[in-house]
Amino acid sequence: DAKTTQPTSMDCAEGRAANLPCNHSTISGNEYVYWYRQIHSQGPQYIIHGLKNNETNEMASLIITEDRKSSTLILPHATLRDTAVYYCIVRPNNAGNMLTFGGGTRLMVKP
Amino acid sequence: DGGITQSPKYLFRKEGQNVTLSCEQNLNHDAMYWYRQDPGQGLRLIYYSQIVNDFQKGDIAEGYSVSREKKESFPLTVTSAQKNPTAFYLCASSTGQGYTGELFFGEGSRLTVL
Repeated sequence: DAKTTQPTSMDCAEGRAANLPCNHSTISGNEYVYWYRQIHSQGPQYIIHGLKNNETNEMASLIITEDRKSSTLILPHATLRDTAVYYCIVRPNNAGNMLTFGGGTRLMVKP
Repeated sequence: DGGITQSPKYLFRKEGQNVTLSCEQNLNHDAMYWYRQDPGQGLRLIYYSQIVNDFQKGDIAEGYSVSREKKESFPLTVTSAQKNPTAFYLCASSTGQGYTGELFFGEGSRLTVL
């Protein structure tokens, strides 16, 4: 399985963009990059996923480098409610819909 | 509203007792999953089921058991064989089709062994 590396924690000022990096240097050609977040004591919530192209939805943008070895999740205008643990996950191509969650990045949005 | 319901939200048990955590979904999803989360840690897969009457062990299945008799239900039993059962348990489901990989999670059940 391709592994991911994320910073343990990050701070962001309210109203500013939060840029969360993820390294996945061993990703295979047909593995997707997924992002989830988990607010304290709740179940994780899907944010976005992508393969090669950059993706955007109502929650965030996902920027994947051309070599696909890293990606960045962007929350364009962070709010206090975006304080959570953010998980970057690479999905194996032979494991059905199973996702393996690592430690993630604890994002603290400050006033 | 469609979603995943886990119960109970909080559960206390004595050592040596089995306990069953309920997970019900009305999303018509084929696949269901159980994860365990310890404080400050990520999620670890206990069991998963891609279809009714079939399930597979995940990374930490020892001391746990599941059943999948109905599409909408995937209960998890934490047996007395589980050495350190105190944890936050999360149930999830997905369509099981294609490559979307989006998991829908319940709110979790927090088990404490006294």
